[in-house]
Amino acid sequence: GAGVSQTPSNKVTEKGKYVELRCDPISGHTALYWYRQSLGQGPEFLIYFQGTGAADDSGLPNDRFFAVRPEGSVSTLKIQRTERGDSAVYLCASSPRRVPTDTQYFGPGTRLTVL
Amino acid sequence: AQSVTQPDIHITVSEGASLELRCNYSYGATPYLFWYVQSPGQGLQLLLKYFSGDTLVQGIKGFEAEFKRSQSSFNLRKPSVHWSDAAEYFCAVGGGFGNEKLTFGTGTRLTIIP
Repeated sequence: GAGVSQTPSNKVTEKGKYVELRCDPISGHTALYWYRQSLGQGPEFLIYFQGTGAADDSGLPNDRFFAVRPEGSVSTLKIQRTERGDSAVYLCASSPRRVPTDTQYFGPGTRLTVL
Repeated sequence: AQSVTQPDIHITVSEGASLELRCNYSYGATPYLFWYVQSPGQGLQLLLKYFSGDTLVQGIKGFEAEFKRSQSSFNLRKPSVHWSDAAEYFCAVGGGFGNEKLTFGTGTRLTIIP
């Protein structure tokens, strides 16, 4: 079946602009996670959803970052007033349920470059 | 807070040789431990996971890992590597119920030489 998909695969923007990154989880998966991977680093947690609600947003670096999942499926990560330090690969993962033993399945990521 | 240390940034192994990648974790309660592999242009793929039971877990592609609570370690092993195993390997720790986010190490890049 289809895996987690993310669009766009690459996004180049200018400092100060607004961007939206989209994640389509595996069908039927109720839990959805966003991570950010900077060059040479492991993925870093940003936020996760159970259904439509954000269960934990403690990893969002500041209030320029926001994520939604209005119908409990597709999620959008929104970044306002982008900065060069936001450049990274943004990864989305989904799991069947929000339990620690369920595997998180990752998408290919969106590479964001802020000029 | 949970954390993961992967002491080896880069490892080079000859094809057919054995492999061990080190992972040390810090977590106050029983950890949920994972190894993921990331190949160039590919997403992260789960190799194996541990959360209870037998401390030696088998994964895909011939990998295994052993959980050692006394050493806070979860090292990944493979008896004989193949050229296709060249990739970046990440160890991760998850918390329990209500704390399912993963904390990853910085990764170990594996190079295979003929």
